[in-house]
Amino acid sequence: EPEVTQTPSHQVTQMGQEVILRCVPISNHLYFYWYRQILGQKVEFLVSFYNNEISEKSEIFDDQFSVERPDGSNFTLKIRSTKLEDSAMYFCASRGGLAGGYNEQFFGPGTRLTVL
Amino acid sequence: GDSVTQMEGPVTLSEEAFLTINCTYTATGYPSLFWYVQYPGEGLQLLLKATKADDKGSNKGFEATYRKETTSFHLEKGSVQVSDSAVYFCALSDRITGGGNKLTFGTGTQLKVEL
Repeated sequence: EPEVTQTPSHQVTQMGQEVILRCVPISNHLYFYWYRQILGQKVEFLVSFYNNEISEKSEIFDDQFSVERPDGSNFTLKIRSTKLEDSAMYFCASRGGLAGGYNEQFFGPGTRLTVL
Repeated sequence: GDSVTQMEGPVTLSEEAFLTINCTYTATGYPSLFWYVQYPGEGLQLLLKATKADDKGSNKGFEATYRKETTSFHLEKGSVQVSDSAVYFCALSDRITGGGNKLTFGTGTQLKVEL
């Protein structure tokens, strides 16, 4: 069964460093998402991506964040200069693009980012 | 903006007990409602959904009814099993189709089922 994969499962970094979180969505899906969950808090939407551009982003997704689909299979989230408050579990999701009805978002297992 | 509130956990039950996890929402339009489940070490999986008022979503013995009058979508199961131990997330989407379709989640409720 196709699934969304994410690497690494756990990333530890120093404050101010750049990190790239990687996701491989399901191969025929067209819509891609990043969410995050700070420990003990809600899962929060960060950004959605379609047709090689951002379709929607939240207030959290400021200039320090960027997304890219560099090679048609990977979908990456880059944080340019990490802050302590970026420590969270980051989830990638993908969705098919069939017209009409609801298309389920399929989630990866998450990457736990720890900023020291 | 849209928001989802669900009961805090952990919820600890004995096997075969009845489960209710409460979820209420605030939305400006007519959202679709979902329950996602996360088993240890895995990603979020869609458990069930309802796209309009009075719809009942059901899967694996779990049920939830979209109640517009009370803005609720409570999750129920008549007889839980140890294998149901997981974290359950209530969520809404403000559009069924379209480029965004972002999900707004509650905080999650951890369920522990004991023998």
